[in-house]
Amino acid sequence: GENVEQHPSTLSVQEGDSAVIKCTYSDSASNYFPWYKQELGKRPQLIIDIRSNVGEKKDQRIAVTLNKTAKHFSLHITETQPEDSAVYFCAAAYNDMRFGAGTRLTVKP
Amino acid sequence: DAGITQSPRHKVTETGTPVTLRCHQTENHRYMYWYRQDPGHGLRLIHYSYGVKDTDKGEVSDGYSVSRSKTEDFLLTLESATSSQTSVYFCAISEGTGPYEQYFGPGTRLTVT
Repeated sequence: GENVEQHPSTLSVQEGDSAVIKCTYSDSASNYFPWYKQELGKRPQLIIDIRSNVGEKKDQRIAVTLNKTAKHFSLHITETQPEDSAVYFCAAAYNDMRFGAGTRLTVKP
Repeated sequence: DAGITQSPRHKVTETGTPVTLRCHQTENHRYMYWYRQDPGHGLRLIHYSYGVKDTDKGEVSDGYSVSRSKTEDFLLTLESATSSQTSVYFCAISEGTGPYEQYFGPGTRLTVT
């Protein structure tokens, strides 16, 4: 089955800096790659997603890039703010969805 | 929040007892999922449903069963709870056909003592 690896497990940045989280997947059939943000004690929230026929997608301060040949995709957050502090999960899906183990992002004011 | 509720929100139970968790949706989505979330493991799929009475196993289905007798409700049952099933359980729905654009319910924290 699909295996998704996510790095780093923790990331600390200064407010205003950029943050990048990277994921790799194993199943070349995967065709959908979402990113979720989870605040402490809350449900995961879908923040951005990308399909396999697209290389990059942007929504305000967040962007996702996909390299299907190398089987990796990344989340980019620019101009980080303290409210971006949370755990971020990547996932890859074909018949079902497999998640990475998560990245705890801390944005220091 | 996609009209998804879960009940109960918190439960403490003893080893060996049966437990049923309920997921309820108000928007008639065809696909529904049960995940468990444990530290260091992200979210892992237990079972999913693609219609009334249509279910399939996920990555970590051992010790769990599901039922879906009507579109709006998806039940997860632990026939005989074990301490390894202590976890936070999330239900999710897909707005489309297949595992795409999943939205999660508020979660159920289950403790098995």
